[in-house]
Amino acid sequence: SAVISQKPSRDICQRGTSLTIQCQVDSQVTMMFWYRQQPGQSLTLIATANQGSEATYESGFVIDKFPISRPNLTFSTLTVSNMSPEDSSIYLCSARQSNQPQHFGDGTRLSIL
Amino acid sequence: GESVGLHLPTLSVQEGDNSIINCAYSNSASDYFIWYKQESGKGPQFIIDIRSNMDKRQGQRVTVLLNKTVKHLSLQIAATQPGDSAVYFCAELIGGAGSYQLTFGKGTKLSVIP
Repeated sequence: SAVISQKPSRDICQRGTSLTIQCQVDSQVTMMFWYRQQPGQSLTLIATANQGSEATYESGFVIDKFPISRPNLTFSTLTVSNMSPEDSSIYLCSARQSNQPQHFGDGTRLSIL
Repeated sequence: GESVGLHLPTLSVQEGDNSIINCAYSNSASDYFIWYKQESGKGPQFIIDIRSNMDKRQGQRVTVLLNKTVKHLSLQIAATQPGDSAVYFCAELIGGAGSYQLTFGKGTKLSVIP
C-alpha cells in the first residue's frame, strides 16, 4: 500500500497568515484528496486534487481559501489561506490507486491563535 | 441527504472478548465499503473492505459483515487486545470510474479494558 507523508505534522499560526501543507506519496497514484477532521469528529472531504488541472472542491470549500496544487502523480499541496481560529483542525492527505483501498497520511495538526 | 452513520459512539470491551462495531448506511447505490482504524495522533488506517456483491469478508482477527437488505455493516474483532483501542470509522464509496467520493461515518471509540 502507498505510504503517505505529510509535513509539517503540526503548526501554530497567527490569524491572517497562510500555511502550505505538503503531501508526498511513495508511489504514483491515480487520485489524491484533502480532508479536514475537527477534534473528536469524522472526516470531511475538502477537495480532490487533480493532476494537471484545477482541484474539485466539495460544497462549503472554495479555491480562494484552500488552494491546492498537484504538479505530478506523487505530490500535492494544500494551502490554508488567511487563517482564523475556526480553521484550527487536522488536515489529512489521502491517496488512492485504481482498484486499491484509499490510504491516509498522519495529518497536519493546525492551531490558529 | 443520504449518509453513513453508526449505532454506538463508544464501546468498552474486556481484553480477550470479541468486539462488534456497527454502521448503518442509507445510500442503496453504495457498492464498496471500508473500515478504518484511527489511533490517537495518527491518520485513518485501512483495516478491511467489502464490495456489495459480498456479504462477508474475513481478515486477520477481523470480519466485516454486510447486510444489504437492512443497509447495515459491522466490524467484528476477535480476541480484542489493548492495541485495538482506537476510533473506528466505516466509509462508503459511491460513484463510477474516475469520479467517486468516500463518505465517512461518525466513528466509534473502542476502549479495551485490560
